[in-house]
Amino acid sequence: EAQVTQNPRYLITVTGKKLTVTCSQNMNHEYMSWYRQDPGLGLRQIYYSMNVEVTDKGDVPEGYKVSRKEKRNFPLILESPSPNQTSLYFCASSYDQGSTEAFFGQGTRLTVV
Amino acid sequence: GQSLEQPSEVTAVEGAIVQINCTYQTSGFYGLSWYQQHDGGAPTFLSYNALDGLEETGRFSSFLSRSDSYGYLLLQELQMKDSASYFCAAPGYSTLTFGKGTMLLVSP
Repeated sequence: EAQVTQNPRYLITVTGKKLTVTCSQNMNHEYMSWYRQDPGLGLRQIYYSMNVEVTDKGDVPEGYKVSRKEKRNFPLILESPSPNQTSLYFCASSYDQGSTEAFFGQGTRLTVV
Repeated sequence: GQSLEQPSEVTAVEGAIVQINCTYQTSGFYGLSWYQQHDGGAPTFLSYNALDGLEETGRFSSFLSRSDSYGYLLLQELQMKDSASYFCAAPGYSTLTFGKGTMLLVSP
């Protein structure tokens, strides 16, 4: 089954404790991205990757890091989480950067206290 | 950059027709996509318009007018399960920009 898998689905952590949210896709897609969703603000892009070892900032990259060492994986790293990073996070993938359809993971609900 | 505006909430009754509008301002425009999201779940792709006109997929249709920088999603024969958030989105060269979403509430 074609899918984008994120882990964990729910996470509560403390300020400053480094964490990683994993994302994996099995569709051999070149393009992957991370979004955060906050009430009233919709989906905002954090980082994206057009291929292995090619990543770039989206609209709200501050406080986040990513890596793309393999085509299928695109982890999101919060080196020192803060309460304003409490949000619902989605990973998405598409065939390439020009694709009109993105496939989303099930989301990770992160709470930073 | 790109910005997309859509109403925050729309209400309708079962069996009715509802239209969700989206206006956009973009520096480079390729087309307009629509996504559905139930209760904080994964957004799912509904449709894409690259050219002006109406695209129909079952009970859902999507329309685009490039000259008016405007599009809409039309939902017919509404069902309770259509209660969800709907997002318009504009694919760019390297990014996908979303509107803030319209929450559709369908009542019996």
